[in-house]
Amino acid sequence: EAGVAQSPRYKIIEKRQSVAFWCNPISGHATLYWYQQILGQGPKLLIQFQNNGVVDDSQLPKDRFSAERLKGVDSTLKIQPAKLEDSAVYLCASSSQRTGGAFFGQGTRLTVV
Amino acid sequence: QQQVKQSPQSLIVQKGGISIINCAYENTAFDYFPWYQQFPGKGPALLIAIRPDVSEKKEGRFTISFNKSAKQFSLHIMDSQPGDSATYFCAASFDSGYALNFGKGTSLLVTP
Repeated sequence: EAGVAQSPRYKIIEKRQSVAFWCNPISGHATLYWYQQILGQGPKLLIQFQNNGVVDDSQLPKDRFSAERLKGVDSTLKIQPAKLEDSAVYLCASSSQRTGGAFFGQGTRLTVV
Repeated sequence: QQQVKQSPQSLIVQKGGISIINCAYENTAFDYFPWYQQFPGKGPALLIAIRPDVSEKKEGRFTISFNKSAKQFSLHIMDSQPGDSATYFCAASFDSGYALNFGKGTSLLVTP
């Protein structure tokens, strides 16, 4: 069974630029999450989707972050404009009722300079 | 507000020893408590998980102990190996399909 796929693996941008990350969850997983992991900390939820609907986006900085999950499969997370404090690893995870637990991708390491 | 507090921040154990990592949570509505292992440059990997209706769960060398009244749970790694050197995160959620609240992580180093 293929895992959660994310791209790109690394991205370096200047502040005020925009960036987008892509995630393909495990096949059949209805729930998709985006987490932000700042160096030395645990992942923090940004947004959770159930199929193509948003379940929880309470911690998403909506003035600069947006996410969508069209057709209930792949998802993209966008930051516009980026700030220095957005430097982090962005992790995508997926889960299903059958498997329980969340399975993570390798993440995208974003550096904002 | 940190809903899950994890200690210690770092841990050094000799090969063959027992590694113990502790977590405490605040919200009594949490119903699912997983542990994740993360190697540098990789995403967190689910290691073992427990629900509050049991006090202990063992999978191979990894054991979760759960104390519902104290709102605490811990991970024990028996016969620790250098390959276990990684960062370990405890987490809690309302159910397995809900978002996870992570601790800050414990960096484990197992020396030869």
